[in-house]
Amino acid sequence: DGGITQSPKYLFRKEGQNVTLSCEQNLNHDAMYWYRQDPGQGLRLIYYSQIVNDFQKGDIAEGYSVSREKKESFPLTVTSAQKNPTAFYLCASSMDILSEQYFGPGTRLTVT
Amino acid sequence: AQTVTQSQPEMSVQEAETVTLSCTYDTSENNYYLFWYKQPPSRQMILVIRQEAYKQQNATENRFSVNFQKAAKSFSLKISDSQLGDTAMYFCAFMTSIRGGATNKLIFGTGTLLAVQP
Repeated sequence: DGGITQSPKYLFRKEGQNVTLSCEQNLNHDAMYWYRQDPGQGLRLIYYSQIVNDFQKGDIAEGYSVSREKKESFPLTVTSAQKNPTAFYLCASSMDILSEQYFGPGTRLTVT
Repeated sequence: AQTVTQSQPEMSVQEAETVTLSCTYDTSENNYYLFWYKQPPSRQMILVIRQEAYKQQNATENRFSVNFQKAAKSFSLKISDSQLGDTAMYFCAFMTSIRGGATNKLIFGTGTLLAVQP
């Protein structure tokens, strides 16, 4: 089955620790994205990548980092510099930067 | 800057009835895409429908249709014959269609929570 997988579904970390969220797609899509969702708000773009080995900051990139070494994978690291990391994180992919985006199931990160 | 506004935080509809969710947006561009996404309790974001701004014909996907009014910058979603499985948060989203533009990204509204009552 083609799709986007994110793991784990729930993640718990202590404050001050870096944590990496996984996102994998087997849709052969060139573009991939990371969004953050907070209660009462729409999705906000953290980082996006149009092609392998290239990525761009979104609206709220501070405290996050990404890599795109493989077409299928776009991991997101939430660093200790992110002031309020507890949120629901959604990964998406699209055929190219102008195509509709398809989303993974999300990861709920809780930092205490 | 582009913005998307959904003025109805919550709505309720009886099963089998029709409901319309509102969305307005602001942009100075002439070419763009508009989307409706559905987020059920599982929190998976699901694409419902897409509209290209250059197309005058309103998009339709089975029970879902849009009323796209470009001059008014309005993009409402109509759900016909509502089903219990339609209960979800619905997000309206905008994306420029200019490759390399400042906002080659989805800009989301804050969502409308729709409850379908039996």
